[in-house]
Amino acid sequence: KQEVTQIPAALSVPEGENLVLNCSFTDSAIYNLQWFRQDPGKGLTSLLLIQSSQREQTSGRLNASLDKSSGRSTLYIAASQPGDSATYLCALTGANSKLTFGKGITLSVRP
Amino acid sequence: EAGVVQSPRYKIIEKKQPVAFWCNPISGHNTLYWYRQNLGQGPELLIRYENEEAVDDSQLPKDRFSAERLKGVDSTLKIQPAELGDSAVYLCASSPGTFYGYTFGSGTRLTVV
Repeated sequence: KQEVTQIPAALSVPEGENLVLNCSFTDSAIYNLQWFRQDPGKGLTSLLLIQSSQREQTSGRLNASLDKSSGRSTLYIAASQPGDSATYLCALTGANSKLTFGKGITLSVRP
Repeated sequence: EAGVVQSPRYKIIEKKQPVAFWCNPISGHNTLYWYRQNLGQGPELLIRYENEEAVDDSQLPKDRFSAERLKGVDSTLKIQPAELGDSAVYLCASSPGTFYGYTFGSGTRLTVV
């Protein structure tokens, strides 16, 4: 059974800081990994999708990496802004097409 | 392109009452998912459809939950009767295929009192 871990559960940083959010998983037999953002009371917004054969994806100030051999993914946020404050979830699609989520990291960027 | 549409956005009901949620996926997305998200937790799969067929409903509490996806498009998730522990956000997602990732709706926040 795939287990996805995101530590720490919460993170607070000053504006402008570059930061890394971590995601670890136990089963490397995955199709892809997706990072989502969730604002309070809202649904999930897809940020980046990394296929199993890829090592990283970039979108604006966001960069996500995938290392299947070590069971890790990171989401790098450059020059963080207060508007980046949200919960960030990673999710993996396994061989059975099931999407398994971590519990998320709640990020607060202080002005 | 319209996203995944869910309704209602919020629902408050008394325990033992029935409730239904509706989802309209993105046009052309054959795969549809219902997830439940408890406070402070990641979403957990309830049921997955490929067109109109439920291909994974192993996590659906079938004694009180039911779902349908008529004609392989819209889907309805029903709870009858609702219990206090059913209070959560119910999320619908769709995908044209595993390779393309998933698009989620805004969710329905259910409060059972």
